Amino acid sequence: EAQVTQNPRYLITVTGKKLTVTCSQNMNHEYMSWYRQDPGLGLRQIYYSMNVEVTDKGDVPEGYKVSRKEKRNFPLILESPSPNQTSLYFCASSLPAGGSDTQYFGPGTRLTVL
Amino acid sequence: ELKVEQNPLFLSMQEGKNYTIYCNYSTTSDRLYWYRQDPGKSLESLFVLLSNGAVKQEGRLMASLDTKARLSTLHITAAVHDLSATYFCAVSNTDKLIFGTGTRLQVFP
Repeated sequence: EAQVTQNPRYLITVTGKKLTVTCSQNMNHEYMSWYRQDPGLGLRQIYYSMNVEVTDKGDVPEGYKVSRKEKRNFPLILESPSPNQTSLYFCASSLPAGGSDTQYFGPGTRLTVL
Repeated sequence: ELKVEQNPLFLSMQEGKNYTIYCNYSTTSDRLYWYRQDPGKSLESLFVLLSNGAVKQEGRLMASLDTKARLSTLHITAAVHDLSATYFCAVSNTDKLIFGTGTRLQVFP
C-alpha cells in the first residue's frame, strides 16, 4: 500500500530534550516536506527536500533540522524543543513538479513540549 | 511574499444547497491545490490545478483556477453531510507550498 508513515504519532516531552520525528514513504517520491499545523494558521512549511542530500527552508524553519540521506526517509529533528513548538506535524511526499504532483500526507504527529 | 487567503473561514450550510469557497493569492504561481481534512485526520488531496482556466470536478465538488485574477474557487453542489470537513487551498511558490488558513464546512440537515 502506498503510504507515508510518521513516528511517533503522539509525543509529550520537556523543554530542551532533543527529539526526532521520523517520516518514511514507499512511493519512490523525490519531493518530501514537513509542515506544522496550528489553529487559525493553516499549515506552514518547515523544510522541504527535492531529492537526496538536497534540503531547503520553508517558511518556519527556526528551531528545526532535517536530513535526507535516503530517498525514502526525511526525519525532523528538534535539537532543543520549546513550548512554542507544540503543534501537529505532518510529513508529505510527492513526485517533483511536472509529474502528477499530488502530495501524500502522513497521519500526523502531535507534539506537546512542556 | 506569497500570501494565500481563503474565505469564508467558516461555512455552515444546509443539505442540498450550493456554495463556493474562495482562495486568493498574492503573487504569480504555477500550481494550485485543494485538500480536504476531516477532524483529527490527515490531509487528502482533492485537486491539482495547473493552468489558467483549469476546471476539475469530482462528485459534488468542482474547482477552477483564474491565474489572471489569482483566484481559485471550490464550488459545492447540493451539499451532503459527508462533505463536512475543513478545506484548504495551497499555492506553490517555486518549490515551496503556501497554505490558506482553511475553510471549515459544516453541512446540516
